[in-house]
Amino acid sequence: QVQLAQSGAEVKKPGASVNVSCKASGYTFTTYWIHWVRQAPGQGLEWMGVINPTGGRTTYAPSFQGRLTMTTDTSTSTAYMELTGLRSADTAVYYCSVGSQCGGDCYPDYWGQGSLVIVSS
Amino acid sequence: QSALTQPRSVSGSPGQSVTISCTGTISDIGDYRYVSWYQQHPGKAPKLLIFDVSDRPSGVPDRFSGSKSGTTASLTISGLQAEDEADYYCRSYAGNSLYVFGTGTRVTVL
Repeated sequence: QVQLAQSGAEVKKPGASVNVSCKASGYTFTTYWIHWVRQAPGQGLEWMGVINPTGGRTTYAPSFQGRLTMTTDTSTSTAYMELTGLRSADTAVYYCSVGSQCGGDCYPDYWGQGSLVIVSS
Repeated sequence: QSALTQPRSVSGSPGQSVTISCTGTISDIGDYRYVSWYQQHPGKAPKLLIFDVSDRPSGVPDRFSGSKSGTTASLTISGLQAEDEADYYCRSYAGNSLYVFGTGTRVTVL
């Protein structure tokens, strides 16, 4: 059974960085790409980017270019999302998800529990 | 890369049908059949309902159906049930390994 266990809530000051982890289990880690999605309080879902655990190729949403880094550690089946230059608008729940429902494309259908990041001075 | 446009809210009585639209551009919905729909209950992670415009993952009731015409995708919920009250999001591939979500629609069961 696919499970994604994310790191806990964090409180950061403006300008700081945050690193959220996502430990996968129940499948071969390198099989599926991992997406990161965030949701600000009371707002909609925002796609942040995707990483291919095989080789580490990444694609980031344009709005995060320069501030976002996604990595994976295949030895521990863990994905990481680092966001730098935090501002209050980055306060959100951050989700990792696995694109394991495949048809013409592969769609995220397993999700982590979410990691709340609060940016406040 | 702008968010896809969805109505803010739709509502219906139990047993009725509701349809949620998702309007994009020729660069996303208009160019690819890689459209999906997600259901999200408060405080929960999203759940995949529809992929590849109209396919359902195993376990998703056939009350949920999807379609696409031009730059607009649609999700129809037939035989509305109380547990369908949730937020719904469309998502489309936008080329170059980029994806975009819709603005989200709150479905209320009257």
